[in-house]
Amino acid sequence: QVQLVQSGAEVKKPGASVKVSCKASGYTFTSYDINWVRQATGQGLEWMGWMNPNSGNTGYAQKFQGRVTMTRNTSISTAYMELSSLRSEDTAVYYCARSDSSGWDYWGQGTLVTVSS
Amino acid sequence: SYELTQPLSVSVALGQTARITCGGNNIGSKNVHWYQQKPGQAPVLVIYRDSNRPSGIPERFSGSNSGNTATLTISRAQAGDEADYYCQVWDSSTAVVFGGGTKLTVL
Repeated sequence: QVQLVQSGAEVKKPGASVKVSCKASGYTFTSYDINWVRQATGQGLEWMGWMNPNSGNTGYAQKFQGRVTMTRNTSISTAYMELSSLRSEDTAVYYCARSDSSGWDYWGQGTLVTVSS
Repeated sequence: SYELTQPLSVSVALGQTARITCGGNNIGSKNVHWYQQKPGQAPVLVIYRDSNRPSGIPERFSGSNSGNTATLTISRAQAGDEADYYCQVWDSSTAVVFGGGTKLTVL
C-alpha cells in the first residue's frame, strides 16, 4: 500500500534550518510529484512548493523563494524539504503529499516544527 | 495572484445536504480538487478534477464547477462528516492555490 512517512518533530532556534524527510513506499517514487504544504495551528493549508522526483525539477511558492530547498534521494525513495532562516512564524505542521493531475491522493502524517528561542 | 474564497463555516442538519462553495475568477476553467481534514489528521482527497470521487469516498460526496464557483455537495450528512474542507486549484500565475477552508458542522 502507498505510504508517505515523514521524519519526527523538530525544535529549532530562530535563524536555524530544518530538514524534513518524506519516505515513500508502495509505488514508483519517480512517477509522481511530491508537494509540501504547511499548516500553523488553527490556520489553513499553505502551499510551499513541488518537486519532480524523476528530474529533480522544483517550483517554489514566491513566499518561500530563497528560503526553501526541495531535494530527493531516489535510491531510498525519499524527498526532503529544507527551510532556512527560521522564525517563530514558521512554527507549523509540515506535510508532504503525492500528486498528479488527479489531485494529492496520499499524504504524510505531518511533522511538527517548532521555532522557539 | 489567484485567490480562492470559501465561507468560514457551514452548518447542516443531520441527514440533510451541505453545500460548500469555492469562489475564484473563472474557476470553471480550472480543475478543482477538494480535501477533508479532521482535527489532528492529514487532509484526505474527497473530490478530484471537479466531480470525481477517489475510491473509498462515499457517493454522498459530489462536486461541480462552473463560472466563478465550484461546489462540494455532501448529501445525507453524517456526524462523521464534520471537518474542515479545502478547495484547491493550479493556476499558471500562482501555481498551487488553496482556499481558506470551511468548517462543516453537523447539527
